[in-house]
Amino acid sequence: QVQLQESGPGLVKPSQTLSLTCTVSGVSVSSGDYYWTWVRQPPGKGLEYIGYISYSGATYYNPSLKIRVSISVDSSKNQFSLKVNSVTVADTAVYFCAREVGYTFAKFDSWGQGTLVTVSS
Amino acid sequence: SSELTQDPAVSVALGQTVRITCQGDSLRNYYVSWYQQKPGQAPLLVIYNENSRPSGIPDRFSGSTSGNTASLTITGAQAEDEADYYCCSRDSSGNHQFGGGTKLTVL
Repeated sequence: QVQLQESGPGLVKPSQTLSLTCTVSGVSVSSGDYYWTWVRQPPGKGLEYIGYISYSGATYYNPSLKIRVSISVDSSKNQFSLKVNSVTVADTAVYFCAREVGYTFAKFDSWGQGTLVTVSS
Repeated sequence: SSELTQDPAVSVALGQTVRITCQGDSLRNYYVSWYQQKPGQAPLLVIYNENSRPSGIPDRFSGSTSGNTASLTITGAQAEDEADYYCCSRDSSGNHQFGGGTKLTVL
């Protein structure tokens, strides 16, 4: 059974860097046709796609966030990570990590429970 | 436009059938998936590849697409189906879009 778990600071100051890690169990992040993804949800609002790192190490970022976002993988720890630079209060959200199966179907079949990150001084 | 548009709220009487719709140009060319989200929980995949259900999802959930409109139908809605529902699709640039979400109330 695949499980994902987000971890990282719950409070980040404006202009600083938000850093989160997703620990994956039950499957290798280097295997299969999987795309390891970050999605966020501001309080009371809808879901926003951030981007992915693939099983082969390729990355893709939502154009609206591309200049501030990076996703990396640590295969030895079976983890992938998100960094968002120069955060503002608009980056306050619950951040979810998820697994997308294949690329064509928008099929996110496994999700972490989510972690709330608040941007505040 | 790569945006996906959903009605903000829909209600259904217990045991009746409800359709939740999602409109967007990308749906003409790319598959849609649907997610159920209850308060304080992560989204749950209920439909992918237009009308495929993951294991464990009741068969009262079904999907369809016509032109630029995708639909999630719940036949015989149950109290536990009360939740927010989001559609999702990729677009021609490779980005993924979520709809704004529909809050389903079961009366």
